[in-house]
Amino acid sequence: AQSVSQHNHHVILSEAASLELGCNYSYGGTVNLFWYVQYPGQHLQLLLKYFSGDPLVKGIKGFEAEFIKSKFSFNLRKPSVQWSDTAEYFCAVNRGGFKTIFGAGTRLFVKA
Amino acid sequence: ETGVTQSPTHLIKTRGQQVTLRCSSQSGHNTVSWYQQALGQGPQFIFQYYREEENGRGNFPPRFSGLQFPNYSSELNVNALELDDSALYLCASSPEVNTEAFFGQGTRLTVV
Repeated sequence: AQSVSQHNHHVILSEAASLELGCNYSYGGTVNLFWYVQYPGQHLQLLLKYFSGDPLVKGIKGFEAEFIKSKFSFNLRKPSVQWSDTAEYFCAVNRGGFKTIFGAGTRLFVKA
Repeated sequence: ETGVTQSPTHLIKTRGQQVTLRCSSQSGHNTVSWYQQALGQGPQFIFQYYREEENGRGNFPPRFSGLQFPNYSSELNVNALELDDSALYLCASSPEVNTEAFFGQGTRLTVV
């Protein structure tokens, strides 16, 4: 079955620590890749996206993600997290059609 | 703010009843998708409408149906409600079929 896997359901970090959230998907071929974030009490919003080109994409608030086609991965990174990064993060994959598949999400808690 | 609004924000229904959830998309967005998000899970794709026609469907039974109107509003209808239908229902509009989605705040449906 087609799936998107996020390796960690809960992550706790101290401020200034580095962050890497894993995302793997199970499709071959061309994909559009997304990371969405949901801050407490807010809508889901786009953090960054990859459609084509440079596999290292930069998003808002200092986040970046790297698409590694051979590993079917699209991991999210940030060199130094802040308390305000506390949120739930969702990886999502679209194969160019109507259906976007979301991972189960990773809850990040950053200790001040 | 994403420009996507949903109503109502919360709803309680009895098993067997019918419910209609509403969404107002961003102006100019021809595509609207609906998702079901159960507690602790990522959004699950229900279906997508493009220019008022159903464009694709996920693994949901026919008692989940929808409509999209020319004024960028849309509806999700669920008949014969079951307890397992209790979830957060998200509406997301997009400029095109497979691009990033702009989410509403969701409708929390509880079936008792």
